[in-house]
Amino acid sequence: DAGITQSPRHKVTETGTPVTLRCHQTENHRYMYWYRQDPGHGLRLIHYSYGVKDTDKGEVSDGYSVSRSKTEDFLLTLESATSSQTSVYFCATGPPEANVYEQYFGPGTRLTVT
Amino acid sequence: SQQGEEDPQALSIQEGENATMNCSYKTSINNLQWYRQNSGRGLVHLILIRSNEREKHSGRLRVTLDTSKKSSSLLITASRAADTASYFCATDRGSTLGRLYFGRGTQLTVWP
Repeated sequence: DAGITQSPRHKVTETGTPVTLRCHQTENHRYMYWYRQDPGHGLRLIHYSYGVKDTDKGEVSDGYSVSRSKTEDFLLTLESATSSQTSVYFCATGPPEANVYEQYFGPGTRLTVT
Repeated sequence: SQQGEEDPQALSIQEGENATMNCSYKTSINNLQWYRQNSGRGLVHLILIRSNEREKHSGRLRVTLDTSKKSSSLLITASRAADTASYFCATDRGSTLGRLYFGRGTQLTVWP
């Protein structure tokens, strides 16, 4: 995860407040992804991006929005945080080669919504 | 819903033993991947096997794929304490859009 950073790494916030998580990559990868990881559920895809300004929903997108204005940055926003969004959030990127879908993960952000 | 289902959910072995983890899936795939996650860290890609391959090796890792049974296995030979981690399989469900679908993982503990 050397080329992928996430900020903040830890955050505690109150229900109803907006939260933005940032993912920054230096790998020049085309694809970027946001996952959440919860006990008993493994990793679930929230949103992903296949290019600047090109994004799509994943399995658990309700309550989340994303933006990608530059290749290197992918933002995840919780418009109004709820306790069910307490989780560990991982950003991942994918290389530009066609049909090669290995993903490279950031270190994660632990979000607690009280 | 989870695409991959790993079993066992937890595996505990002694150093030097082999560890085998299994993954089953439900749809056609282009490839299947295995990832490792150390406690408190992000996932790390281990190995990718394409749907037209049956076996692949990388160091102490051996992955097999049986598309007729929709299953894969990950074998770690001569396990070390440093192999203690969670292991996840992931498939693309036949998509070429770069999305992966992860299982819930196997927690491997290797005792010194």
